[in-house]
Amino acid sequence: GAVVSQHPSRVICKSGTSVKIECRSLDFQATTMFWYRQFPKKSLMLMATSNEGSKATYEQGVEKDKFLINHASLTLSTLTVTSAHPEDSSFYICSAIGLAGEAKNIQYFGAGTRLSVL
Amino acid sequence: DAKTTQPPSMDCAEGRAANLPCNHSTISGNEYVYWYRQIHSQGPQYIIHGLKNNETNEMASLIITEDRKSSTLILPHATLRDTAVYYCIVRVAGGGSNYKLTFGKGTLLTVNP
Repeated sequence: GAVVSQHPSRVICKSGTSVKIECRSLDFQATTMFWYRQFPKKSLMLMATSNEGSKATYEQGVEKDKFLINHASLTLSTLTVTSAHPEDSSFYICSAIGLAGEAKNIQYFGAGTRLSVL
Repeated sequence: DAKTTQPPSMDCAEGRAANLPCNHSTISGNEYVYWYRQIHSQGPQYIIHGLKNNETNEMASLIITEDRKSSTLILPHATLRDTAVYYCIVRVAGGGSNYKLTFGKGTLLTVNP
């Protein structure tokens, strides 16, 4: 299947700093990327949807100024957690979907990024 | 997207077939059934999807009832590495931002030695 790479896999930061997470589609053009958040023993919760070249659409209750999403190219989307605090500690996962081939009907996921804010 | 119902947990012996059920009684005619799994501390992995015909790939088989109100994911020879949370999701197929996935609680499959 198609490959989505997410980096870093784990990050530990101090409270008040910003953290950037990258999500890349390696072998297809991702017209749409999704960002999820997952708390321990809970299911994935969609945070936002981003289309290449346009502003992200955030789900209700997700602070867009807190979680900045950029989808500047067809293979890269970034999530920046600004001024991170301990309550932002979580498992962040991206996914991507394209408009052609296998990636048209199947959403592929990255391996996730575990963020720990001290 | 239609809502799905799955048992919270199931056990299976290593080497035996694992049959994971999913109910989706409100599924619409253009909605597909997708299965993903999530191994602990990893991103979800796509397994299989189907519309109304049974499907098989190298990972699993998907059996969809004739009325499409339920389906079963079959792992023919479960291994310890198949221990994971399995999610059954119903949505229309295609690309674009309208096709987001909504994850329920899934079924925790534990494969025992």
